[in-house]
Amino acid sequence: AQSVAQPEDQVNVAEGNPLTVKCTYSVSGNPYLFWYVQYPNRGLQFLLKYITGDNLVKGSYGFEAEFNKSQTSFHLKKPSALVSDSALYFCAVRPFGNQFYFGTGTSLTVIP
Amino acid sequence: GAVVSQHPSRVICKSGTSVKIECRSLDFQATTMFWYRQFPKKSLMLMATSNEGSKATYEQGVEKDKFLINHASLTLSTLTVTSAHPEDSSFYICSARTSPGAGELFFGEGSRLTVL
Repeated sequence: AQSVAQPEDQVNVAEGNPLTVKCTYSVSGNPYLFWYVQYPNRGLQFLLKYITGDNLVKGSYGFEAEFNKSQTSFHLKKPSALVSDSALYFCAVRPFGNQFYFGTGTSLTVIP
Repeated sequence: GAVVSQHPSRVICKSGTSVKIECRSLDFQATTMFWYRQFPKKSLMLMATSNEGSKATYEQGVEKDKFLINHASLTLSTLTVTSAHPEDSSFYICSARTSPGAGELFFGEGSRLTVL
């Protein structure tokens, strides 16, 4: 069965510190990988995606993600967190076809 | 990025009434749209895949007679919650892709349904 795991429900980080939001997956083949952010009572906003090529993908708002095929991980990172980064983050994978599989979300709180 | 508009953003209705939520792709054509339901602090639950000009494909456990989906054009899909009950109260989000390839999903702003 296809699955996406975000092992941390909550991540707290001090403003200015680097942040990491973890994602691992178990799907067949070589999936496309995505990160989305959701602010309260809003839809999801696309941050970045990995299709192929360089394992380090850069996205919106200074975020980046590192694809690790051997560990089947796609962790989201940012070198210096901002208070405005506080939100809910979702990892998603798409093995093939239409179906997207989402993780359960990680709530990020950046402490001033 | 592409824009998906969802309306209404909030709706309150009485139990037993029906509510329609619209999802529009504003600057692209979407042959496929997706409807999700999100519970508080929970992940997204895919309800159905809406296909332009054909019947929607519902996920297991989703009542197709309660959650009517219509995708009448390449830019509009609607979700109608029929005979709504308080347990249908939730945050409903639609999404679409600009291309069938590696395209990411673009999401509407969501609709908060409260059934009294």
